[in-house]
Amino acid sequence: DGGITQSPKYLFRKEGQNVTLSCEQNLNHDAMYWYRQDPGQGLRLIYYSQIVNDFQKGDIAEGYSVSREKKESFPLTVTSAQKNPTAFYLCASTGTGGSNQPQHFGDGTRLSIL
Amino acid sequence: GENVEQHPSTLSVQEGDSAVIKCTYSDSASNYFPWYKQELGKRPQLIIDIRSNVGEKKDQRIAVTLNKTAKHFSLHITETQPEDSAVYFCAASIWNNDMRFGAGTRLTVKP
Repeated sequence: DGGITQSPKYLFRKEGQNVTLSCEQNLNHDAMYWYRQDPGQGLRLIYYSQIVNDFQKGDIAEGYSVSREKKESFPLTVTSAQKNPTAFYLCASTGTGGSNQPQHFGDGTRLSIL
Repeated sequence: GENVEQHPSTLSVQEGDSAVIKCTYSDSASNYFPWYKQELGKRPQLIIDIRSNVGEKKDQRIAVTLNKTAKHFSLHITETQPEDSAVYFCAASIWNNDMRFGAGTRLTVKP
């Protein structure tokens, strides 16, 4: 879906470095999500946000941080505390409004360790 | 929290045959069950979804069934084609809160 933009497409992290993955949406969606995908595995939820200035931890939040200062943006920071950051990271968003709606995904960011 | 299990992890069928992928969920309050298709290196794309007030939904060659009592739902693809080859994920959520995904099924359709 062209409404969600993730950047960069590829990212390399040095030892002890924090890196930030960008996620922007122009779908006017309230909720945004970050998932991690390892080879041959499913999507694991890192963090999600239902509304601006509020976010919740998912199943694997340790070593990650997020912010939601604007409705359109939900950046993910992979901190040096995340010892195994190599993975494919997917951002998603969905509208709310009282009924279940499907998630729309970005194209992902592939993070590797140098 | 919700836990979603998906089987099988890999599935190989001949072109024209049917494919069935099954998922179970743990939280009886879950009320939304989407299915996604992901091609290699690409984003997951929604192919069909079902809500808890419906037992079955069909869209051309794809159908999903939901058994709320047993807490399982299944994806059925009929008349499979090589372009159906991909990884399929099921998911479950309660009103879009913290959606949980299954581990995925790699479907291969042999010509």
